[in-house]
Amino acid sequence: EVQLVESGGGLVQPGRSLKLSCAASGFTFSNYYMAWVRQAPKKGLEWVATISTSGSRTYYPDSVKGRFTISRDNAKSSLYLQMNSLKSEDTATYYCARRPFDYWGQGVMVTVSS
Amino acid sequence: DIQMTQSPSFLSASVGDRVTINCKASQNINRYLNWYQQKLGEAPKLLIYNANSLQTGIPSRFSGSGSGTDFTLTISSLQPEDVATYFCLQHNSWPYTFGAGTKLELK
Repeated sequence: EVQLVESGGGLVQPGRSLKLSCAASGFTFSNYYMAWVRQAPKKGLEWVATISTSGSRTYYPDSVKGRFTISRDNAKSSLYLQMNSLKSEDTATYYCARRPFDYWGQGVMVTVSS
Repeated sequence: DIQMTQSPSFLSASVGDRVTINCKASQNINRYLNWYQQKLGEAPKLLIYNANSLQTGIPSRFSGSGSGTDFTLTISSLQPEDVATYFCLQHNSWPYTFGAGTKLELK
């Protein structure tokens, strides 16, 4: 059974950093592109980042480019999202997802507030 | 960026009703359109991929159609367990974009 379990969320002040993790199981992690998607409270979904199987290629929307970094450790079947210079508008539930977005984790909440 | 316009935002229907939800892309996305169901507090669940392919394990009352810019999710006979929010995702080109969602409730 495919499982994706996020961790690392919490309350953080504006301008600070936070790193999310996603532990994958039930499939060959190294064979899949992976992604992060977020959902702000009472808002729609926004794609945040995607990473290739080897980690050599990464993709971001303009809203997070230069602040967020997606990475992976295939030996540990783990996905990460390093979030720097956080803003209040980054407050959201963050999901990790396997591309082609067929499986998603339960999500982890990130609140950016002073 | 490709804008995904989803309609309606809210839908109230009775058990047994045929329900349709639409997504319109601002430009051609071929068939690169997925449909998801999300229940409160749960992870999104893939229902339909590439516009009309039913994901394994999803009941056959769910179906998808369309190509290019106009897409439809149909529930042929609404069941109580279908109460949820539904949204579409275009994965034709970066940045991938989502519809705003349709909240489906029982009448």
